[in-house]
Amino acid sequence: DAGVTQSPTHLIKTRGQQVTLRCSPKSGHDTVSWYQQALGQGPQFIFQYYEEEERQRGNFPDRFSGHQFPNYSSELNVNALLLGDSALYLCASSPLGSGANVLTFGAGSRLTVL
Amino acid sequence: GESVGLHLPTLSVQEGDNSIINCAYSNSASDYFIWYKQESGKGPQFIIDIRSNMDKRQGQRVTVLLNKTVKHLSLQIAATQPGDSAVYFCAENGGGYSTLTFGKGTMLLVSP
Repeated sequence: DAGVTQSPTHLIKTRGQQVTLRCSPKSGHDTVSWYQQALGQGPQFIFQYYEEEERQRGNFPDRFSGHQFPNYSSELNVNALLLGDSALYLCASSPLGSGANVLTFGAGSRLTVL
Repeated sequence: GESVGLHLPTLSVQEGDNSIINCAYSNSASDYFIWYKQESGKGPQFIIDIRSNMDKRQGQRVTVLLNKTVKHLSLQIAATQPGDSAVYFCAENGGGYSTLTFGKGTMLLVSP
């Protein structure tokens, strides 16, 4: 079982650019959540997708958007990048209706904005 | 691998010691709590959980204590090993849909 896979692992962008991060959930999982983890901080919830729709959203601006595909994989898009968007972006998957104890995290995509 | 966190509270222990990591949570309505371990270059990994109707739960070498009166969680690791070195986060689930609110984290350093 490959678990949750994310790509790319590292990337560098400049202010104002746009970025797309990708996530493949663990086999058998249909719900995908995205978290932002700034250096020295705990992860912060961005949003969650199920059945290709955003189901819940944290306190992030509209520059952060996402998508879920029929195969349950997901993308996180960030527009008009700011220096403060530099962080580790974590994808987590779970089966629908399950508790948070089965939430499985990927290793993350490290975004650096210059 | 990359450093998960800089300027985190740090607990340094010797191999074989017992470790206690503390966490204050924010939402008195949260009904479920989890401890995660995050090693450098990896995502958070589930350690142990506890529901708000309990005050203690034990796993293998780990125990979680919950004090709802003061909104405090602790993680106790028995016979700490070098492989336990990582950043530890508590997380609370009060927002539904398995979304989590994480604390700031504590770095545990275990010396052989």
